[in-house]
Amino acid sequence: KNEVEQSPQNLTAQEGEFITINCSYSVGISALHWLQQHPGGGIVSLFMLSSGKKKHGRLIATINIQEKHSSLHITASHPRDSAVYICAVSPWDRRQGGSEKLVFGKGTKLTVNP
Amino acid sequence: DGGITQSPKYLFRKEGQNVTLSCEQNLNHDAMYWYRQDPGQGLRLIYYSQIVNDFQKGDIAEGYSVSREKKESFPLTVTSAQKNPTAFYLCASSIVREKYLEKLFFGSGTQLSVL
Repeated sequence: KNEVEQSPQNLTAQEGEFITINCSYSVGISALHWLQQHPGGGIVSLFMLSSGKKKHGRLIATINIQEKHSSLHITASHPRDSAVYICAVSPWDRRQGGSEKLVFGKGTKLTVNP
Repeated sequence: DGGITQSPKYLFRKEGQNVTLSCEQNLNHDAMYWYRQDPGQGLRLIYYSQIVNDFQKGDIAEGYSVSREKKESFPLTVTSAQKNPTAFYLCASSIVREKYLEKLFFGSGTQLSVL
């Protein structure tokens, strides 16, 4: 079983729809990252969060540490949001505290049709 | 503009050949990383470096080598010992504060294929 599980694997939406992508993890973490990978391959960091909620434009990321779960929401989706969204966690190391290494989910491929 | 530059974008390797992927950053980040991405799989860490002249193996270091002679540069060599090198390779950099990795910045990637 992967330490980081994302759902759904693939998601198709119509322009304007509200979208939710989920991420569950099984280890203690110091932070969780949401990343966006466009078809060309480059990856952009969207959010890093360790508690609560963050918002940037039409994107909202939430995390529930007790439930070991995070969600990425996109409001008023647009075809340019089409990309692979990747969840990654920084595992908490009992000896060292934080970790420089991330554990990645397999990604959710989002397609937004006009 | 600050960022990470990877080159080349596409690379072909002949059997038995070593190839080197370039990664340069001008963000003044201490930490740099090499990841491998295969279809349907999450990114996997090959090597990482937190400081010049020091680097550590990641989860899949066999068949790869790196160097960190300058803060700005972290080249990855895919050696002939790597029997399945076809993949998309991503370089990243970050600030690390007290063992906590902050926001990652990625290059645009190199697609390596075997001839």
